Amino acid sequence: DSGVTQTPKHLITATGQRVTLRCSPRSGDLSVYWYQQSLDQGLQFLIQYYNGEERAKGNILERFSAQQFPDLHSELNLSSLELGDSALYFCASSGEDTASRAFFGQGTRLTVV
Amino acid sequence: GESVGLHLPTLSVQEGDNSIINCAYSNSASDYFIWYKQESGKGPQFIIDIRSNMDKRQGQRVTVLLNKTVKHLSLQIAATQPGDSAVYFCAEKAAGNKLTFGGGTRVLVKP
Repeated sequence: DSGVTQTPKHLITATGQRVTLRCSPRSGDLSVYWYQQSLDQGLQFLIQYYNGEERAKGNILERFSAQQFPDLHSELNLSSLELGDSALYFCASSGEDTASRAFFGQGTRLTVV
Repeated sequence: GESVGLHLPTLSVQEGDNSIINCAYSNSASDYFIWYKQESGKGPQFIIDIRSNMDKRQGQRVTVLLNKTVKHLSLQIAATQPGDSAVYFCAEKAAGNKLTFGGGTRVLVKP
């Protein structure tokens, strides 16, 4: 168990809908990272928050947004969902502002139908 | 469990033998290189990392080698065990805290 908790584990929704994925980082970790893992694109970095502020941005679509709350949990919002958004979404956390030793959660499997 | 990629290169290794997993990276400015293990239905798990100013680092049963001349990274697993069966990803970290992952290699350990 990495200590990073993601909910829900599975989510099935229709095209055009909006969903929110939630992540609770390891106790004390200030950094949260979001990744997307799909069969054709592999693992891709989306965005990082550090102590409530956006710190780094990767290949995140404009339809997607994230935030980190004062209690350090984070949410990833995906809107106007398309079939191609079906993927595993991982959250990772680290104690410092460095991605190299982040601990990953078990992921949320999103299926868009 | 979840399948992470149905068309990954696969390394079959006999239990007890050593495994070598290779990775080519692209960014000569990357300052950290990391190996992750991902088991079915789970998130990536950190194995070992190496700074760009090193060429070798050893952990418990694992060794990472970095060859910056040819932009090549390898992970050696000694005495491979059934529990080592998983998909292994290399990742490089460049400025801005962005990790770029390789496509992954599936390791199958035969008893």
